[in-house]
Amino acid sequence: AQSVTQLGSHVSVSEGALVLLRCNYSSSVPPYLFWYVQYPNQGLQLLLKYTSAATLVKGINGFEAEFKKSETSFHLTKPSAHMSDAAEYFCAVSDGGYQKVTFGTGTKLQVIP
Amino acid sequence: DTGVSQNPRHKITKRGQNVTFRCDPISEHNRLYWYRQTLGQGPEFLTYFQNEAQLEKSRLLSDRFSAERPKGSFSTLEIQRTEQGDSAMYLCASSSSGTGIDGYTFGSGTRLTVV
Repeated sequence: AQSVTQLGSHVSVSEGALVLLRCNYSSSVPPYLFWYVQYPNQGLQLLLKYTSAATLVKGINGFEAEFKKSETSFHLTKPSAHMSDAAEYFCAVSDGGYQKVTFGTGTKLQVIP
Repeated sequence: DTGVSQNPRHKITKRGQNVTFRCDPISEHNRLYWYRQTLGQGPEFLTYFQNEAQLEKSRLLSDRFSAERPKGSFSTLEIQRTEQGDSAMYLCASSSSGTGIDGYTFGSGTRLTVV
């Protein structure tokens, strides 16, 4: 069985500050890992994905994530937060089989002006 | 292609009524997924289609729920005899076949409120 744990249901940062959203995974096979963003009353949008190529993955809107097998982590970062980054972020894992994806419980990011 | 389309966007129904939601995936995607999201939670897997075949159904899906994907194109999710606990956002996603590296493309969801 696969799962992800997101540490912190709410994170607040100042505009221009570093964004760090934490995700740890559990998977019995080499995982595929994803970060999705969800704006209010919208579906989820794929930010970035790890698929066993480079361990540092760059995504849209300046976000990136690093896959660390030894720590079973896939934390999401952005050097400088923008007001438009305020949203809910979901970490997710897939076993690469028929692509069923399991989502974490989400982290709501607040950006303070 | 305009992405994954879900209709309606919002549905308010009385307890005990039946409701049906529709999802139109990206045309070249042969995999289609339904998820349910309640407030403060991540999406939970409900069911999955490859073309017209329903390959997995979550234990979350009681006998009141049924999903179809005739001809492997659009899909419908029906809830019979709705209960207040069915109130949630129902999300549809699609992806192309392959090794699972593509991730999903989600629709905007259908928000169901059972009163």
